[in-house]
Amino acid sequence: SQKIEQNSEALNIQEGKTATLTCNYTNYSPAYLQWYRQDPGRGPVFLLLIRENEKEKRKERLKVTFDTTLKQSLFHITASQPADSATYLCALDTGMDSSYKLIFGSGTRLLVRP
Amino acid sequence: ETGVTQSPTHLIKTRGQQVTLRCSSQSGHNTVSWYQQALGQGPQFIFQYYREEENGRGNFPPRFSGLQFPNYSSELNVNALELDDSALYLCASSLPGGVKGNIQYFGAGTRLSVL
Repeated sequence: SQKIEQNSEALNIQEGKTATLTCNYTNYSPAYLQWYRQDPGRGPVFLLLIRENEKEKRKERLKVTFDTTLKQSLFHITASQPADSATYLCALDTGMDSSYKLIFGSGTRLLVRP
Repeated sequence: ETGVTQSPTHLIKTRGQQVTLRCSSQSGHNTVSWYQQALGQGPQFIFQYYREEENGRGNFPPRFSGLQFPNYSSELNVNALELDDSALYLCASSLPGGVKGNIQYFGAGTRLSVL
């Protein structure tokens, strides 16, 4: 069956360290993968998109990698800050129909300690 | 630039009732998608509307229906509410046809509780 997996356990790190979150998928061939941030009681906010022919994308302190052979994306936040504490969701297109439907993982909660 | 707005923010209904949720899309976006997010889960795609027509549907029963209006605003209707329908309902607008990678711009959601 088709699955997107993110670590369901919260990631707890010290301020200043690099946070690395993982997104694994099976039985999809996505054209692109996206990462979103979600704060409690709020809608997700888009952060980064990476296409299947890109290995790495950066934006300020954020970096995303995409390995279509391993079917995995890694999301890094360098020099993490308490304000980075949130749930991070990965999403990919199914590549199956014209609706450009996005499939989301269940998210990983990040807690950055001061 | 006006963002995505949803109403109401919270709603309490009883089992068997019907509910209508509303969404105004971000200016310049003519595609609207609806998602259901249960506690501790990621958003699940319900359906998408483009040019007032349903353009793709997730694994949800027909009692979940929608509308899109000429001004691109949208409604989600749920009939015969069940307890499991309790969730955060998110509306997202986007550019059509996968332009710019189908980035979704979400509203803050409507929290629906079914008792």
